[in-house]
Amino acid sequence: ELKVEQNPLFLSMQEGKNYTIYCNYSTTSDRLYWYRQDPGKSLESLFVLLSNGAVKQEGRLMASLDTKARLSTLHITAAVHDLSATYFCAVGGHGGSQGNLIFGKGTKLSVKP
Amino acid sequence: KAGVTQTPRYLIKTRGQQVTLSCSPISGHRSVSWYQQTPGQGLQFLFEYFSETQRNKGNFPGRFSGRQFSNSRSEMNVSTLELGDSALYLCASSSTTLGEAFFGQGTRLTVV
Repeated sequence: ELKVEQNPLFLSMQEGKNYTIYCNYSTTSDRLYWYRQDPGKSLESLFVLLSNGAVKQEGRLMASLDTKARLSTLHITAAVHDLSATYFCAVGGHGGSQGNLIFGKGTKLSVKP
Repeated sequence: KAGVTQTPRYLIKTRGQQVTLSCSPISGHRSVSWYQQTPGQGLQFLFEYFSETQRNKGNFPGRFSGRQFSNSRSEMNVSTLELGDSALYLCASSSTTLGEAFFGQGTRLTVV
């Protein structure tokens, strides 16, 4: 059974600081996604990582994937208040299906001035 | 390009009733998946449809069902509602190539 673990689950940061969110998964998968969710809102797609060593960056966020270690990281550089949200990683399920994403429990990020 | 549209946005139902939620995917997307989000269990996969066929099903009781129409629109139905079914139900659509799932705004179901 595919399991996805994120840590930390809660993260309080000061503006301007850097931090990393970790996402470990238990079995082989060829797709890993990062999503952002604001309170009361839906999920916004941030990154799609499809191969070992993939690195993607958007603004202050950078995501990477190590399929051998079954680990993805979401690095936050010089955090700003607007980044406060819950971040989820999700791993593609089995059978080549497009759907069937298994989500981590999410990391609730709070960036304080 | 219009995004994923879910209706209704909010619902209040009584225990024992049934409910139908609707999802219109992004134009051209043939895969539609449904997820339940609760504070306790997080985001859980319900089922996925592709070209009117259910391809995957999560670990939910048979009270949860769905279908997909020839225009890729999808509905999910929950019968004999229980208090624990109160949740945000999210629909996502994917193309057949990249596999990136785009989510709708969700339907917040409250069972009283």
